[in-house]
Parts: sequence; C-alpha cells; structure tokens
Amino acid sequence: GAGVSQSPSNKVTEKGKDVELRCDPISGHTALYWYRQSLGQGLEFLIYFQGNSAPDKSGLPSDRFSAERTGGSVSTLTIQRTQQEDSAVYLCASSLAARTTDTQYFGPGTRLTVL
Amino acid sequence: AQTVTQSQPEMSVQEAETVTLSCTYDTSESNYYLFWYKQPPSRQMILVIRQEAYKQQNATENRFSVNFQKAAKSFSLKISDSQLGDTAMYFCAFMKRKRGAGGTSYGKLTFGQGTILTVHP
Repeated sequence: GAGVSQSPSNKVTEKGKDVELRCDPISGHTALYWYRQSLGQGLEFLIYFQGNSAPDKSGLPSDRFSAERTGGSVSTLTIQRTQQEDSAVYLCASSLAARTTDTQYFGPGTRLTVL
Repeated sequence: AQTVTQSQPEMSVQEAETVTLSCTYDTSESNYYLFWYKQPPSRQMILVIRQEAYKQQNATENRFSVNFQKAAKSFSLKISDSQLGDTAMYFCAFMKRKRGAGGTSYGKLTFGQGTILTVHP
C-alpha cells in the first residue's frame, strides 16, 4: 500500500477482554513503532522493532501489553485484560530503517474504547 | 530523560495571517533532532518540518519555518500565509541521536502535549 495502515479503525471492548490491534507498515520499511495517544498522557512511545533485532519494549506500560512483528512486516499489538485506562488512540509508524534521518510515517490509528 | 513542553493548548489565526507555535524542551543530549508534526482530524500524523541540532541554520519548508534557539532549548514553528487546511493539532517532538549495534541509530520520538490550531476564514 501507499502508506501505513491500521485495523480496526475503532474498537469498543468490555473491561477484562483481550484486544489485538494490527499495523501494516509501508513496504520495505524495516523499522516499526507503536505509540499511544491519550487525554491524560499525551503521545507516548510503547515499543519499537528494527529488522530482526530484539524489540525495545521499554515504553510498554504493563505486562498486559505485548507486541510482535511477523516476517519483519505486519505487527500486532495485544492488550490483555483491558482496563478503562487503556482507552486511547494507538498509532503505528514505520520508517525505512532506524536512522534518525529516516522520517517516520504514521498510520491513522486505532481508537480503543474500553467500557 | 527528555521532556518537551508546548505551553499553548490552543491557538487561532485568521486566514492569510502568520502564527507562531511555541515549544521548549529539556535534555542533556548534545546530538538530537527536533520535529513538528501535524495531526488533522483524520488522526494521521504528518511531518511538517525537522531540525538537526548541530545545524545553526533554521529549517524552512515552504510556508513553515522554525526558530531554533539551542542554548535556550526553544523550537518554535512559524506558519506564514495560514490556510484553512492548516487547522490541526501540532506536536513538537524530540529524537535523541543514538547509535545502536551495527552503526544504526534509533528513532524513538518524545512528544509535547500538542497545540490545537484553528484557522478562521
């Protein structure tokens, strides 16, 4: 595709359920990032993947959050036992590599609402 | 840790006029990059402009320019000839220049809280 795509666009779930959010990066981009945008915390980094290297999970807020990237392309962010404070927009970005000269291109995000 | 502060939650400007959005940051790093991103109602973050900290010259992209004051740790965005399509939330962001294994760098962004800009006809 021409840009980063994310699905679903919106997700409403009940407290305690698990959710999976998907990100399709731009073809050929080896670096992939997840960010979270919430009213209380603003935009915050969650996790980063670069090629076959071990991901940097330093931004994940709790062990209920996990992410994987299969085949160096599609990534899935999983939130287990969702809580109301998990309600936010989850943004994915990709870049050609992880050089600081590489522009990060963002997807439209997934709006998660936990009831 | 780095922090980025945008002290203007909301700004408004008339079409064709000029507006300046403020951003300050705090870091002990000497090598870094600064960015302004735009987020329209569609939620898609779009890079507006970037500045390398080692460059003294202020970056310019068409109607968008920055005033980078490294000593003051200030990075403001000036939008000239404002257009209705400029209405969006604007985020200032910081990226540490870090070298990892293999000579690659790492691009985690630290964002400010954002400024909602409304351009009025």
